[in-house]
Amino acid sequence: SYVLTQPPSVSVAPGQTARITCGGNNIGSKSVHWYQQKPGQAPVLVVYDDSDRPSGIPERFSGSNSGNTATLTISRVEAGDEADYYCQVWDSSSDHGVVFGGGTKLTVL
Amino acid sequence: QVQLQESGPGLVKPSQTLSLTCTVSGGSISSGSYYWSWIRQPAGKGLEWIGRIYTSGSTNYNPSLKSRVTISVDTSKNQFSLKLSSVTAADTAVYYCARGIAAAGNAFDIWGQGTMVTVSS
Repeated sequence: SYVLTQPPSVSVAPGQTARITCGGNNIGSKSVHWYQQKPGQAPVLVVYDDSDRPSGIPERFSGSNSGNTATLTISRVEAGDEADYYCQVWDSSSDHGVVFGGGTKLTVL
Repeated sequence: QVQLQESGPGLVKPSQTLSLTCTVSGGSISSGSYYWSWIRQPAGKGLEWIGRIYTSGSTNYNPSLKSRVTISVDTSKNQFSLKLSSVTAADTAVYYCARGIAAAGNAFDIWGQGTMVTVSS
């Protein structure tokens, strides 16, 4: 089955840029989606189809995808961005279907 | 705007069947090109996709759960449902229903608030 690998944690100071990676075999050929999840809340879609933002998501959130790595970039990080972030793809090449990464805890120092 | 709400027992005994329903409000479950999914999250762990259904009735399931899962849809009630049989403590989790956008690689744009299900005698 298809595996997505995320770093368990990323730390960044307020105002700096956070980059969260999602590794997968030839992930650049797939559409990658990113979710933000705060404690006790349901996940929220922040980037879809590699780099598109749903309405209401700040421009500070952006995404890219190439080769074996997709990246979620959060510019000008704020305290309110502290959360878990998950990447997700639809793996059409197997029966598995939806695949999530293991999640990355973003800590704002 | 479309909202999702999960409902069902919060406590299920081992070996029994877990049954949950997701009610769609603010729009028709049959409109647009959407898949309707169930996703779960054990405490302190990541997200696990369980399966999805299209309003035509076609389904896809996570292979690791496929033998125990049934997802169905009732368009007249604007609901879709999950049944997970032969549950064990490992099935204890928060269960979410979510809408997936077919045209956007099944990105989940709307989620329910989640419902905690504990498997215990």
